[in-house]
Amino acid sequence: GDSVTQMEGPVTLSEEAFLTINCTYTATGYPSLFWYVQYPGEGLQLLLKATKADDKGSNKGFEATYRKETTSFHLEKGSVQVSDSAVYFCLSISNFGNEKLTFGTGTRLTIIP
Amino acid sequence: NAGVMQNPRHLVRRRGQEARLRCSPMKGHSHVYWYRQLPEEGLKFMVYLQKENIIDESGMPKERFSAEFPKEGPSILRIQQVVRGDSAAYFCASSPGAGAGGYTFGSGTRLTVV
Repeated sequence: GDSVTQMEGPVTLSEEAFLTINCTYTATGYPSLFWYVQYPGEGLQLLLKATKADDKGSNKGFEATYRKETTSFHLEKGSVQVSDSAVYFCLSISNFGNEKLTFGTGTRLTIIP
Repeated sequence: NAGVMQNPRHLVRRRGQEARLRCSPMKGHSHVYWYRQLPEEGLKFMVYLQKENIIDESGMPKERFSAEFPKEGPSILRIQQVVRGDSAAYFCASSPGAGAGGYTFGSGTRLTVV
């Protein structure tokens, strides 16, 4: 079945540091890929997405590129802020048959001033 | 244009009581998904419903849990005879249809069983 392997946390960085959160997937066919963010005490919000190979999703300074050859969708940001502290989830959606959402386990990110 | 509405935000139940969690999808969305987030764990798929149909319930515990999405009204996740291990955040998501990829999540219901 489909699976998403996400970099384990927690991750602690200093403000303005470079961020990478790794995400790799296995799926039947070519899934759509997403990053969702969960701020403390809140629900999940879509951060960015890519629906086909080589697509790059970007939002709020975050970027991720759909790499078919490495089955990866790593999340990056050049300079993190304290307000980026949250839990980040990588999500794969396979359109093969009944649509099924497969989440990674989430990575808790803490940014210290 | 309201997003996915879940209520209540917080729910406290004693062991053995019933918990009912409600999810109203975004306007125009006919597909609903329920997820459970246990403390310090990731999101686990529970059930995928369309109006009046359960499409995939492979993530639902075999006993005490049920879900519905009637023709009119919100989707309901029901947990009967709750136990401490049911304490978690339950999130609902909706989408306009299969393959649309436009998933919107609610803010969740935090269930605490005492």
